Amino acid sequence: QKEVEQDPGPLSVPEGAIVSLNCTYSNSAFQYFMWYRQYSRKGPELLMYTYSSGNKEDGRFTAQVDKSSKYISLFIRDSQPSDSATYLCAILMNSGYSTLTFGKGTMLLVSP
Amino acid sequence: DAGVTQSPTHLIKTRGQQVTLRCSPISGHKSVSWYQQVLGQGPQFIFQYYEKEERGRGNFPDRFSARQFPNYSSELNVNALLLGDSALYLCASSLGRGGGNTIYFGEGSWLTVV
Repeated sequence: QKEVEQDPGPLSVPEGAIVSLNCTYSNSAFQYFMWYRQYSRKGPELLMYTYSSGNKEDGRFTAQVDKSSKYISLFIRDSQPSDSATYLCAILMNSGYSTLTFGKGTMLLVSP
Repeated sequence: DAGVTQSPTHLIKTRGQQVTLRCSPISGHKSVSWYQQVLGQGPQFIFQYYEKEERGRGNFPDRFSARQFPNYSSELNVNALLLGDSALYLCASSLGRGGGNTIYFGEGSWLTVV
């Protein structure tokens, strides 16, 4: 079992839809949770960063963490064609080192 | 402020050759990490350096090495290149080395081995 599982998609939605992206993880030692957006042939861009169970909102984006289920989600409201990208969940342990463990990434396609 | 900068952006090498990739972290950041991203996969951790010392190493062969300089910039070296080394190599920087630090990535260096 991989430490972080993420459906690779692609996920195709019409403009304006609410998008739900999900990851599961296996290691209870994971404490910090991030979502990165990666456009084709570019580096990952940090979208959301959280360390506690519950919801964190930033504009059209909401990150949700359920540590009891080892399940994290990213919701995008009013999706736009410019949101078309690969979304990577990334998790790290509460250790002395900032080593991220990534999912494979989910490709999102938002059609006008 | 400039973000994480990497060079070169693209390069093509022949099997068996050696390559050096360079990274400048965000100003004030002391931790630099390197990741390899193969097409269709998430990034895989290679190294972390903090205050010029290696603090973590991923599951990569000894052909991979790195170092961090007094100005906190870093180089990743890969010797005896294999076709499977073709990937996007990402540099990430953070203020410190612990789990509470936000990690920012550069645009990466695309390496093609032929």
